[in-house]
Amino acid sequence: DTGVSQDPRHKITKRGQNVTFRCDPISEHNRLYWYRQTLGQGPEFLTYFQNEAQLEKSRLLSDRFSAERPKGSFSTLEIQRTEQGDSAMYLCASTPGIMDEKLFFGSGTQLSVL
Amino acid sequence: QKEVEQDPGPLSVPEGAIVSLNCTYSNSAFQYFMWYRQYSRKGPELLMYTYSSGNKEDGRFTAQVDKSSKYISLFIRDSQPSDSATYLCAVTQGGSEKLVFGKGTKLTVNP
Repeated sequence: DTGVSQDPRHKITKRGQNVTFRCDPISEHNRLYWYRQTLGQGPEFLTYFQNEAQLEKSRLLSDRFSAERPKGSFSTLEIQRTEQGDSAMYLCASTPGIMDEKLFFGSGTQLSVL
Repeated sequence: QKEVEQDPGPLSVPEGAIVSLNCTYSNSAFQYFMWYRQYSRKGPELLMYTYSSGNKEDGRFTAQVDKSSKYISLFIRDSQPSDSATYLCAVTQGGSEKLVFGKGTKLTVNP
């Protein structure tokens, strides 16, 4: 499968715990995005990377959230001290480069914070 | 005012009907317009991509953009039960700007 891969597909955690999600973009896609989607809403932008550089972060991304993309390949999104309001689908998307606006999404990680 | 407004529905139609889905947006700087289809518990899948105003057709799907009224539409002809999904409109200025999504319209096509 050469699409965007996300792991895990589902994560159930207790409030206060830390969680980490992984995204593997399509090979040779330079730009990688993280979005969050809650029930009945469209995806909301969180952050994006151009290669290994994190170029923009949404104000939705509180200091409990951190994202990395070492070596410009896969990316991780970590949430520390999870809260019930963090429950959502976390979507990763990639695109070939600066002048290509078409995003290709993974199937997402569904997070439930109890 | 939200950047992109989309009626969440739900919308229920019989098989074979013509479906019309719409969004409005507020920022005239948006130049790229997309429609994504999202099945339950899956990520969004790019369906149509349009730059600036005009129409684009792909099989049973037609996307229309009217920049003068900041209005975008997706038409589905001869709708099928397999078209049952949530349809998301998305807009961007392009370049390094992020994609902004509508809430999505949930469509059910009944056999």
